[in-house]
Amino acid sequence: QQQVKQSPQSLIVQKGGISIINCAYENTAFDYFPWYQQFPGKGPALLIAIRPDVSEKKEGRFTISFNKSAKQFSLHIMDSQPGDSATYFCAASNNAGNMLTFGGGTRLMVKP
Amino acid sequence: EAGVAQSPRYKIIEKRQSVAFWCNPISGHATLYWYQQILGQGPKLLIQFQNNGVVDDSQLPKDRFSAERLKGVDSTLKIQPAKLEDSAVYLCASSLEEAGSHEQYFGPGTRLTVT
Repeated sequence: QQQVKQSPQSLIVQKGGISIINCAYENTAFDYFPWYQQFPGKGPALLIAIRPDVSEKKEGRFTISFNKSAKQFSLHIMDSQPGDSATYFCAASNNAGNMLTFGGGTRLMVKP
Repeated sequence: EAGVAQSPRYKIIEKRQSVAFWCNPISGHATLYWYQQILGQGPKLLIQFQNNGVVDDSQLPKDRFSAERLKGVDSTLKIQPAKLEDSAVYLCASSLEEAGSHEQYFGPGTRLTVT
């Protein structure tokens, strides 16, 4: 299976701090890189997504940075809040279909 | 807009028994997916439908898993017989068919425990 490797597995951040989660992929055919947020007992929900023609995308407190040559992308959560405490998954797919390959997830805890 | 509906939410069965999960996608969404999410891992795609046709089922363990999507709307995923390693959350997702529309909307999942 084409892999997407995610790190760290868990992350503790103080309220107001910056949370950073990293992902690396192998398949150069991937051209869509979303981040999903999952709360306990719920399905994943799309947070933000990027395509490789840009190096950065920002939506509110959430920013994706994308490095095509290194085959890496990361999620930055600015001014982290306790309500951001959840599990975050990176994923990737290509235009041949909408089939997403997910990373292993990062459990984020934001301390008040 | 109503989201993706799944039932049941929880199911406990013994190994070698059979089980079925049901999914109702968002109205108008032509593409439907079933994922398996083992505790502590990311979701893994099992099967993708477009309308009532299978697009990809390469990761579906076909000796025990089956899925169908009659009339291109609701879908069922069946496991027969279940094994201990099938314990997981089974997520259903749907998306629009439009070109370039990759956003998938997930249901709450069915948590299966096989004892």
